[in-house]
Amino acid sequence: DVKVTQSSRYLVKRTGEKVFLECVQDMDHENMFWYRQDPGLGLRLIYFSYDVKMKEKGDIPEGYSVSREKKERFSLILESASTNQTSMYLCASSWGTGGERPQHFGDGTRLSIL
Amino acid sequence: QKEVEQNSGPLSVPEGAIASLNCTYSDRGSQSFFWYRQYSGKSPELIMFIYSNGDKEDGRFTAQLNKASQYVSLLIRDSQPSDSATYLCAGRVGGGSYIPTFGRGTSLIVHP
Repeated sequence: DVKVTQSSRYLVKRTGEKVFLECVQDMDHENMFWYRQDPGLGLRLIYFSYDVKMKEKGDIPEGYSVSREKKERFSLILESASTNQTSMYLCASSWGTGGERPQHFGDGTRLSIL
Repeated sequence: QKEVEQNSGPLSVPEGAIASLNCTYSDRGSQSFFWYRQYSGKSPELIMFIYSNGDKEDGRFTAQLNKASQYVSLLIRDSQPSDSATYLCAGRVGGGSYIPTFGRGTSLIVHP
C-alpha cells in the first residue's frame, strides 16, 4: 500500500512564526501536492511538484512556499504564519503524468495559528 | 473554467438501501475520474477510479461514467451506517493537467 506520512497530526503555532510541514511518501511517486481544506470551501491546491526541485503554484500560493530536494519529500513552509492560515493541511502523491492517476493522501495536519 | 460539480447534500438513505451519488463535469476532454470517501476529521481515502465509459464494480461500490452526458456516479449497495461520510468526486479536466479537480463533496447519511 502507498504510504504518505505527514510529520504532525496537530500543530499549534503563533502568528509571525515560520512553520514547516513535512510530507514523505514511500512509493517513488513523481507528483506531490499540498492542499488546505476548510469547511464549505473544499480542497484547495496550494502547490504541487512533478519532479525533484520542480514546483508549480496552485490556486492559493500566497503566504506559502515549498521545497522538494528529494523525490520522496515535499515540504510546505508558512513564511510568517497568520491566523487565516489555521486549517487542515493535506499532502498527497501520485505517479505518472497528465493527472490520470489517483492521488493518495496523508492523514493531514490540523494547524492552529494563535 | 473547468469544473467538477457535486450536490453538497446531505443525502439521507436508510440502512440497506442503495445510495446514489452524482457528479457532473464541464470538460468533454476529461478522461479519468476518482471517488474518495472522507470521514469527519480524517483525510480523503480513494475508493474507486474509472477511466472508461460504463460501469466498474468493486464490492458494494459501482462507479458509472457517461462521457456523452458528462457525469459520473457512485452507487453504494446495501448502505451501512459506517458509509456515512463525505464523498468527493475528482476528475482530470483539461489536457496536460497534472492535477485532478475536486468537487466540494456530497455528505451521505445512512440511518439505521
